[in-house]
Amino acid sequence: TQLLEQSPQFLSIQEGENLTVYCNSSSVFSSLQWYRQEPGEGPVLLVTVVTGGEVKKLKRLTFQFGDARKDSSLHITAAQTGDTGLYLCAGAYNQGGKLIFGQGTELSVKP
Amino acid sequence: GAVVSQHPSWVICKSGTSVKIECRSLDFQATTMFWYRQFPKQSLMLMATSNEGSKATYEQGVEKDKFLINHASLTLSTLTVTSAHPEDSSFYICSALQADRTGKAFFGQGTRLTVV
Repeated sequence: TQLLEQSPQFLSIQEGENLTVYCNSSSVFSSLQWYRQEPGEGPVLLVTVVTGGEVKKLKRLTFQFGDARKDSSLHITAAQTGDTGLYLCAGAYNQGGKLIFGQGTELSVKP
Repeated sequence: GAVVSQHPSWVICKSGTSVKIECRSLDFQATTMFWYRQFPKQSLMLMATSNEGSKATYEQGVEKDKFLINHASLTLSTLTVTSAHPEDSSFYICSALQADRTGKAFFGQGTRLTVV
């Protein structure tokens, strides 16, 4: 059973376009983390959100945690070719507990 | 950020042999480490949770006798794939949880295992 549904799983866009990736669950998480992974490497943490309704910005990336702490979104503005990669959301039920990963979103940004 | 080092980065082994993968937290103590498996273009699948000084907790469907985990110190956990078969070929990734209970987990760079 996939507890964290991530969509879309594949996304191919042109440079300069905007995009949004969603993570949804019926479960409440104590925190949710977003990672970016390059081929052959481990995931790199982008952001952690812990408060319902929280919005965090990282340059052109905007992360939002749902009010009920069951869902989250990642919005990229004016995508660049360097944004290409696998984006993963992961939720934790308690601090220090294991992470439940979404299916991942393979993003390809074409010049 | 904290650094987690995984060794080796890649390994090729023959069917029937065993392979050990190390996961080290270089600049922090980790009471808990996690081992994941990842297939191409797919997400991470949790295999087991490793706690320092105690037996690992395996996820459903993961054979504990095939994937031996040892967490002997606060900075080192090892995963041994025993009697490896070609279907064990995969990308194995560890993550380490900071002992200060901030909830942040940091990932190693992964190990590409190919069984021939």
